[in-house]
Amino acid sequence: KNQVEQSPQSLIILEGKNCTLQCNYTVSPFSNLRWYKQDTGRGPVSLTIMTFSENTKSNGRYTATLDADTKQSSLHITASQLSDSASYICVVSARAGTASKLTFGTGTRLQVTL
Amino acid sequence: DGGITQSPKYLFRKEGQNVTLSCEQNLNHDAMYWYRQDPGQGLRLIYYSQIVNDFQKGDIAEGYSVSREKKESFPLTVTSAQKNPTAFYLCASSIQGPLYGNTIYFGEGSWLTVV
Repeated sequence: KNQVEQSPQSLIILEGKNCTLQCNYTVSPFSNLRWYKQDTGRGPVSLTIMTFSENTKSNGRYTATLDADTKQSSLHITASQLSDSASYICVVSARAGTASKLTFGTGTRLQVTL
Repeated sequence: DGGITQSPKYLFRKEGQNVTLSCEQNLNHDAMYWYRQDPGQGLRLIYYSQIVNDFQKGDIAEGYSVSREKKESFPLTVTSAQKNPTAFYLCASSIQGPLYGNTIYFGEGSWLTVV
């Protein structure tokens, strides 16, 4: 069964600090992995998408890594801001013929405080 | 502005009542999707549509129905057969289906509560 597990479930950090969110998956055959940011009560917004051959991808203060061998990904947030407070969702795509199926993690809820 | 518009943002349903959630996109995307989000769970796929007049069941389609009469519109009806409909519903779209390699764009969501 395809699964995506994220850790920690929740995290509180001080503004200006860095943090790293983890995503472990058991999805096969792997197609790509995406990180989304979801503000409370809003729709998710895409941060990065990574394919099998990509190890690192950055989007401003967000840097995602992917280790396809260990089936792990991380999202590193640098110099956090209050606006980073949100849930971060890891989504893994499995290829099935000409189609693909998405498996969503349950998210990490990040709170950035003063 | 291009995007996905869901309405209403908040909806209350009485027991035994059908309700319809609207989803409109002006991104010219072929594929559209409906997801359900419950606390502590990942998003779950209800239905998706790759082209007009065609749609497929997702993982939790029971108690829901959809139509795709126009490319821009993909309404979701929550029927009385759905026994636990209280949730946050997200409509999404992508350039082409079926989900292959494309970024999925989400609407702002609709909260449905049973009263």
